[in-house]
Amino acid sequence: GQQVMQIPQYQHVQEGEDFTTYCNSSTTLSNIQWYKQRPGGHPVFLIQLVKSGEVKKQKRLTFQFGEAKKNSSLHITATQTTDVGTYFCAGRYSGAGSYQLTFGKGTKLSVIP
Amino acid sequence: DGGITQSPKYLFRKEGQNVTLSCEQNLNHDAMYWYRQDPGQGLRLIYYSQIVNDFQKGDIAEGYSVSREKKESFPLTVTSAQKNPTAFYLCASRGVTGHHQPQHFGDGTRLSIL
Repeated sequence: GQQVMQIPQYQHVQEGEDFTTYCNSSTTLSNIQWYKQRPGGHPVFLIQLVKSGEVKKQKRLTFQFGEAKKNSSLHITATQTTDVGTYFCAGRYSGAGSYQLTFGKGTKLSVIP
Repeated sequence: DGGITQSPKYLFRKEGQNVTLSCEQNLNHDAMYWYRQDPGQGLRLIYYSQIVNDFQKGDIAEGYSVSREKKESFPLTVTSAQKNPTAFYLCASRGVTGHHQPQHFGDGTRLSIL
């Protein structure tokens, strides 16, 4: 089946350092969504990217969608302890599976104060 | 999310027992989903329903069953055929007006084997 690969699986950073997680699909995505799950919590929607080459920013978070709509990244500038959690990308494919999201395995971010 | 209620928060199952996890939403969403989350595995889709009285198997449906008799409710039964049920189960819903709406998740149910 279709898979979305996400790396790295874990990332430990010193507070104030930057952080990036990457997602890649072997086939073209219709759109991609990003979610954050705090420890002990549930995934919370962050943003959706639809257009080829799209870049969106939310304060210190920058989201990119590749030109071929097969890859995406989330970059956090100057991490804070409140950024701790697991970040998931979730891709949607067109066609029969369009009601489903295919989640990456997530990147667990730890921030050392 | 406040609009999706999962219960119970913790559930223990004995060997050979079926258990049912509840998921109720008041968001008027047509589509509902059940995911299983294991450490390091991300979210894997068990079942989903696009509309009342209809549902489809996801990637890991074996050992599970669902029903969708009401728009608001999408209960998941973990049957005795599911040999490794210990996991965190997440229910989600989504509006289907347009194709790009995000999924809203409940707080989850942690299921363990006694």
